[in-house]
Amino acid sequence: GNSVTQMEGPVTLSEEAFLTINCTYTATGYPSLFWYVQYPGEGLQLLLKATKADDKGSNKGFEATYRKETTSFHLEKGSVQVSDSAVYFCALKGGSTLGRLYFGRGTQLTVWP
Amino acid sequence: DVKVTQSSRYLVKRTGEKVFLECVQDMDHENMFWYRQDPGLGLRLIYFSYDVKMKEKGDIPEGYSVSREKKERFSLILESASTNQTSMYLCASRGGGASNSPLHFGNGTRLTVT
Repeated sequence: GNSVTQMEGPVTLSEEAFLTINCTYTATGYPSLFWYVQYPGEGLQLLLKATKADDKGSNKGFEATYRKETTSFHLEKGSVQVSDSAVYFCALKGGSTLGRLYFGRGTQLTVWP
Repeated sequence: DVKVTQSSRYLVKRTGEKVFLECVQDMDHENMFWYRQDPGLGLRLIYFSYDVKMKEKGDIPEGYSVSREKKERFSLILESASTNQTSMYLCASRGGGASNSPLHFGNGTRLTVT
């Protein structure tokens, strides 16, 4: 079946620190992988995506590389800002589903000035 | 920009009441979804719909039903609300074209059942 496991939070960092949030998956077929972000009081919004092995998704200084050999899609940012404080969700869409996504449990990130 | 609008931001209902949560999207999307979000559990799919009058159960459909009479509107119904249905409910939509098009979420409805 399809499932996503991401590192548990909360993660607390100082401004300009390096961020990694780990995400691994199990899937049938050839999934697409996503990172969504939820800012306080809002719904989720797409941060980045990768649709095939070795693709790198990037947006707003965040990056994640689709690693088929390790079934991973870790989120990274070189220098976090206070405004990056949010909950981050890793997700996959399997190749044979009707369009549903499978989400990880979310990782709360808090960045202090 | 795609807009997904959930009718209420906060809702307080009593145990046993019938509750309707409404969601409207303005981008002619085929696929619509209802999730609930709980601390430590992430997002869990309740129901989804890939066309008008079509529905599919998600992972936790018990205690819920849905209605999709028009393409733009997807309603979640709690037939008899219970306290364990206190949660944040998120509606999302997605186009049916490219298989990797993203989900677009509403801002959520925080439901409290007392």
